[in-house]
Amino acid sequence: RKEVEQDPGPFNVPEGATVAFNCTYSNSASQSFFWYRQDCRKEPKLLMSVYSSGNEDGRFTAQLNRASQYISLLIRDSKLSDSATYLCVVNVGGGNKLTFGTGTQLKVEL
Amino acid sequence: DTAVSQTPKYLVTQMGNDKSIKCEQNLGHDTMYWYKQDSKKFLKIMFSYNNKELIINETVPNRFSPKSPDKAHLNLHINSLELGDSAVYFCASSQDLADYNEQFFGPGTRLTVL
Repeated sequence: RKEVEQDPGPFNVPEGATVAFNCTYSNSASQSFFWYRQDCRKEPKLLMSVYSSGNEDGRFTAQLNRASQYISLLIRDSKLSDSATYLCVVNVGGGNKLTFGTGTQLKVEL
Repeated sequence: DTAVSQTPKYLVTQMGNDKSIKCEQNLGHDTMYWYKQDSKKFLKIMFSYNNKELIINETVPNRFSPKSPDKAHLNLHINSLELGDSAVYFCASSQDLADYNEQFFGPGTRLTVL
């Protein structure tokens, strides 16, 4: 089983749609959780951290369920500029070691 | 003003050669990392250093040798390059080892081994 699993997509959605991505992780000792965004042929950039209580940043909402070892990202009112690969990232500790999922590709269309 | 920079951006070389990739961060961070992103876009950590001290050394062939001359620099030297080394190599840095810290990535070095 992969340490961090995501549906690779692609998710093709129209502008203005709401889209949700899910991710599961295998290490119950994982300590911190993030969503990173990676544009084509670019470096990953932090989109948001994920907190146990859930957190929101504008159109983006992240949720964490430690019991089910499950992380989600909800994007509301999708924009063309949201088209990218969204990486679910888990920190298992031991020197700030990040484990990345393979990413979910989102394409927002007119 | 680039926070994390890498050189070169592209590297094309023959099998068996030795090459180096350089990384510098001007964020004043204590911790730096090397990641490899393969052709399937899977990003995996290779090494991390904290204040020039090796912290993480994943199962990487010993042909790969990181060197940190100071905490702002982390270079990667690769000996006897193989076809399977072709990938994008990302350098990253974070303020310190705290697990909640954001990691800032460089633009990547696209290595092609022929």
